[in-house]
Amino acid sequence: QQQVKQSPQSLIVQKGGIPIINCAYENTAFDYFPWYQQFPGKGPALLIAIRPDVSEKKEGRFTISFNKSAKQFSLHIMDSQPGDSATYFCAASSTSYGKLTFGQGTILTVHP
Amino acid sequence: GAGVSQTPSNKVTEKGKYVELRCDPISGHTALYWYRQSLGQGPEFLIYFQGTGAADDSGLPNDRFFAVRPEGSVSTLKIQRTERGDSAVYLCASSLGHKWDEQFFGPGTRLTVL
Repeated sequence: QQQVKQSPQSLIVQKGGIPIINCAYENTAFDYFPWYQQFPGKGPALLIAIRPDVSEKKEGRFTISFNKSAKQFSLHIMDSQPGDSATYFCAASSTSYGKLTFGQGTILTVHP
Repeated sequence: GAGVSQTPSNKVTEKGKYVELRCDPISGHTALYWYRQSLGQGPEFLIYFQGTGAADDSGLPNDRFFAVRPEGSVSTLKIQRTERGDSAVYLCASSLGHKWDEQFFGPGTRLTVL
């Protein structure tokens, strides 16, 4: 059962643009929502994470928006740069030890 | 400090063979996770260790897969009678073990079963 749905599969923006990646979940027990960035040949690396008691969290150029009633959350990247070109994964967890359920990933390309 | 390391980085084997994949977590991290990432997909949970014990092995696809962590540090994922469908990148992550703690991922082992 796919529990975290991510869209779009791929996204192309110009430098300075604001790509937005969306995720929706089904399991209402999820209560931790991280975003990971992955470069080719590397493991995923944590970008930013949010808990459902807040509707928005911002760290640097990265912002998570969270809508608990709609069971949706999204990642916004402000002033995107070519170095942001990577695959982005949303994830969710409901366990005390952080077992993660990942979305399918979004391949982001930022053109100079 | 050193991050999570995994060896080998690439493993090519023939169908039916046995393989072992190794993970060295960050020193002091009691929690260790194995995930499997198929091409074009997000990582899928396989197993979680807290210390030496497998606290959650619900993601292991079948009994051909087994993992150990005998001294609470290094972990080995073992796959018997490999099948072509086992081809994927196997990722290891470690953390301090609580929900909010960051999971640090290794670079993965790319397994190809011919």
